[in-house]
Amino acid sequence: NAGVMQNPRHLVRRRGQEARLRCSPMKGHSHVYWYRQLPEEGLKFMVYLQKENIIDESGMPKERFSAEFPKEGPSILRIQQVVRGDSAAYFCASSPELGELKFGPGTRLLVL
Amino acid sequence: ILNVEQSPQSLHVQEGDSTNFTCSFPSSNFYALHWYRWETAKSPEALFVMTLNGDEKKKGRISATLNTKEGYSYLYIKGSQPEDSATYLCAHTTSGNTGKLIFGQGTTLQVKP
Repeated sequence: NAGVMQNPRHLVRRRGQEARLRCSPMKGHSHVYWYRQLPEEGLKFMVYLQKENIIDESGMPKERFSAEFPKEGPSILRIQQVVRGDSAAYFCASSPELGELKFGPGTRLLVL
Repeated sequence: ILNVEQSPQSLHVQEGDSTNFTCSFPSSNFYALHWYRWETAKSPEALFVMTLNGDEKKKGRISATLNTKEGYSYLYIKGSQPEDSATYLCAHTTSGNTGKLIFGQGTTLQVKP
């Protein structure tokens, strides 16, 4: 079992570009969570998804950010028109219906 | 307490020393308390999940206790080893969905050989 996979591991974007972060949950896990770690801060919950549904997006910025978890394929966290303040480490985690959260290695986004 | 707070922020100990960290969390609407171990350049790994007041969990030289009435948890490491060097994160949840975690800032432990 390869664990939670995230790609890319590092992403550099210029202000105004789009960033797409991918997360493949562990096999058998149907729940996906995205967390963000801003510089000098702790991990903060962003969004919780199940297949084809957003369950809780209370931690997601209202503008420019979106997330999806399609029936087929990885979960995508999309950031449109990135700004320098979006520079952070974005972690995906997955879990089965009831169970422990497994974290991925994260994607480090740098906005120039 | 409105947020999860951890202390100390960082800690340097000698190999063989025993140490402990504190996690404070809101005691209202409590569901579960989690401890994670996060090594540099790796993913956070779950250590313990505790739900009941008075819970104690142990894994090797690491143990944790939980007081939900006063809103704190302690993590103990007995006889620290260099491989224990990591950031230890505490998080709590307020509902049955245990995936929405509210994390503290972490305690970074450095064990010198």
